[in-house]
Amino acid sequence: AQKVTQAQTEISVVEKEDVTLDCVYETRDTTYYLFWYKQPPSGELVFLIRRNSFDEQNEISGRYSWNFQKSTSSFNFTITASQVVDSAVYFCALSESIQGAQKLVFGQGTRLTINP
Amino acid sequence: DTEVTQTPKHLVMGMTNKKSLKCEQHMGHRAMYWYKQKAKKPPELMFVYSYEKLSINESVPSRFSPECPNSSLLNLHLHALQPEDSALYLCASTKRGQEGISGTEAFFGQGTRLTVV
Repeated sequence: AQKVTQAQTEISVVEKEDVTLDCVYETRDTTYYLFWYKQPPSGELVFLIRRNSFDEQNEISGRYSWNFQKSTSSFNFTITASQVVDSAVYFCALSESIQGAQKLVFGQGTRLTINP
Repeated sequence: DTEVTQTPKHLVMGMTNKKSLKCEQHMGHRAMYWYKQKAKKPPELMFVYSYEKLSINESVPSRFSPECPNSSLLNLHLHALQPEDSALYLCASTKRGQEGISGTEAFFGQGTRLTVV
């Protein structure tokens, strides 16, 4: 069965600090996709990044970067120079295709608070 | 238009009431989803419609009844709910992109915060 673990329940940092959110996953699939979503207080989940299982190249996009390591089944997400607007709950998710549709299995989420 | 719109934003209903949640998207996505999110928990999949047909029901109690009248609209009909059904109900949609259905990002609405009294 698919499983995603986010061990950090809450993180609180001061603005401009870098922060890394950890994600560990379990799957028996050889091809899979991993996502990070952000959920601000308004409620909607906002797509941030996606990585597929056959591309371990790590990337940077603006203040966001991610570290995907298949050997350790980890998909960590880093925000550089954090800002107050980054405060939200962040979910790591593993995706599988079922009957022509997508099923997202989410981790428990990490509540990130950026203090001014 | 890259929005998924859900109405109402808040709903309080009694255990004997019948109500409906509505979700609408105009991005041409042919898969639409209902997720349930309890406080301080991650979203959990309830139903999936693919090309207006119910493709996944995650063993959801029959007091929740989904409906997909057309490719842009998704409803969730509620009847005889229990207080433990109080949650944020999120609608989402996806397209089939180059990555296939599992690799495409989902677009979520802001949800309906349901309280059952």
